[in-house]
Amino acid sequence: GAVVSQHPSRVICKSGTSVKIECRSLDFQATTMFWYRQFPKQSLMLMATSNEGSKATYEQGVEKDKFLINHASLTLSTLTVTSAHPEDSSFYICSARTQGLAGGETQYFGPGTRLLVL
Amino acid sequence: AQSVTQLGSHVSVSEGALVLLRCNYSSSVPPYLFWYVQYPNQGLQLLLKYTSAATLVKGINGFEAEFKKSETSFHLTKPSAHMSDAAEYFCAVTDNTNAGKSTFGDGTTLTVKP
Repeated sequence: GAVVSQHPSRVICKSGTSVKIECRSLDFQATTMFWYRQFPKQSLMLMATSNEGSKATYEQGVEKDKFLINHASLTLSTLTVTSAHPEDSSFYICSARTQGLAGGETQYFGPGTRLLVL
Repeated sequence: AQSVTQLGSHVSVSEGALVLLRCNYSSSVPPYLFWYVQYPNQGLQLLLKYTSAATLVKGINGFEAEFKKSETSFHLTKPSAHMSDAAEYFCAVTDNTNAGKSTFGDGTTLTVKP
C-alpha cells in the first residue's frame, strides 16, 4: 500500500524559533498534499492544500506567513512553523493524494509530528 | 457545503459484541465517504471508502459500512469487537466541488471491554 512518512515524529523547540516538518510519499507521486492540525481529543482541522509546483491554498483563519508550505516535488511537501509560540504546540498530520477525480481517491496519511513549543 | 456528524463521541462495547459507529453526512453533490481509524499518537489509517459503487462497503479488519442515501448515513459496523479495535474512529466526506478536500467528523472513541 501507499506509504507517507513524516519527519520528525516529534520536536521540541524554544519559543521564537522555526520548525520544518517534512511529508514524503514514499512509493507514489502525490500531486496534492494536505496539512492538518489536531488538538488532543479533537478532530483534524485542515490547514492548507498543497499542489506540486504551485502556491498552497490556506483555509480561512490559517496564517500563511506563519505556516509556510512548500511542495517542490511530487513526493515532498514541507510545513515550516515560523516564530513558533506555545499555542502552536499540536499534532500536525499530512496526507497525500494521487491525481484523478477529485474526492474519490484515497488520502494516505502520514504518522504525524508532535510539536511542543516551550 | 459538506459536513459530517458522528453521533456518540464515546462508544463502549464488550469483546465479541457488535460494533456500531454512527455517521451522518450532508453534501450538495453525491458524496465520497470514508472511515478512518487512529491509534494514539499515529496518523489515520483508511478502513474503507464509498465512491458510488456498491452501497455495502467492506474494509479491513472485518469492518464494513453501508451507504444509505435516504438516511444520509454511512454507519460503520463490525460483528465482533476485538480488544485491538479500541481506537479513535473518524468519518469523512469529500466531493468534487471542494477541490477534493475532506471534512472530518469529530471522531468516536471506541472502548472494548474484556
